[in-house]
Amino acid sequence: SYVLTQPPSVSVAPGKTARITCGGNNIGSKSVHWYQQKPGQAPVLVIYYDSDRPSGIPERFSGSNSGNTATLTISRVEAGDEADYYCQVWDSSSDHQVFGGGTKLTVL
Amino acid sequence: QVQLQESGPGLVKPSETLSLTCAVSGYSISSGYYWGWIRQPPGKGLEWIGSIYHSGSTYYNPSLKSRVTISVDTSKNQFSLKLSSVTAADTAVYYCAREEVGARYFDYWGQGTLVTVSS
Repeated sequence: SYVLTQPPSVSVAPGKTARITCGGNNIGSKSVHWYQQKPGQAPVLVIYYDSDRPSGIPERFSGSNSGNTATLTISRVEAGDEADYYCQVWDSSSDHQVFGGGTKLTVL
Repeated sequence: QVQLQESGPGLVKPSETLSLTCAVSGYSISSGYYWGWIRQPPGKGLEWIGSIYHSGSTYYNPSLKSRVTISVDTSKNQFSLKLSSVTAADTAVYYCAREEVGARYFDYWGQGTLVTVSS
């Protein structure tokens, strides 16, 4: 089955840029989606189709996807960005959803 | 605005069947989209359980497939989850979500409901 690998944690100072990776075999051939989840809350879609932002999501959030790695980039990080982030793809070869293990973003 | 709301027992005994319903408002299920269930054990990551198309076609997580049934009731604009033979490992927050048809991302989520499996 298809596997998505994320680093367990990423730390960044306020105002800096955070990059959260999502690794998968030839993930560049798939559409990758990203969710933000704050404690006690449901996940929120922040990036879909690799790099599109839903309405209401700040432009500071961006995404890219190529080769074996997809990346969520958060520019000018704020304290309110501290959360768990999950990548997700639809694996059409097996007809099922796959989530990455999640990355905890800590704002120092 | 699309809204989803999970409902069902918060406590289920081991070996019994977990049953949850997701009521959808602001959008008619019969108009399209997939509708999915995702769970999150305490302190752990997200796990997809399965999804159903408005027509009734289903897709299940292979690791849960033998125990899962997802159904849709378009007349009530809701869909449901049944998970049989539960154990403590099924204790989790269960979310329902709307799933886009093309790239299959989840754009609207319910608030989630905690289901504890314990005698």
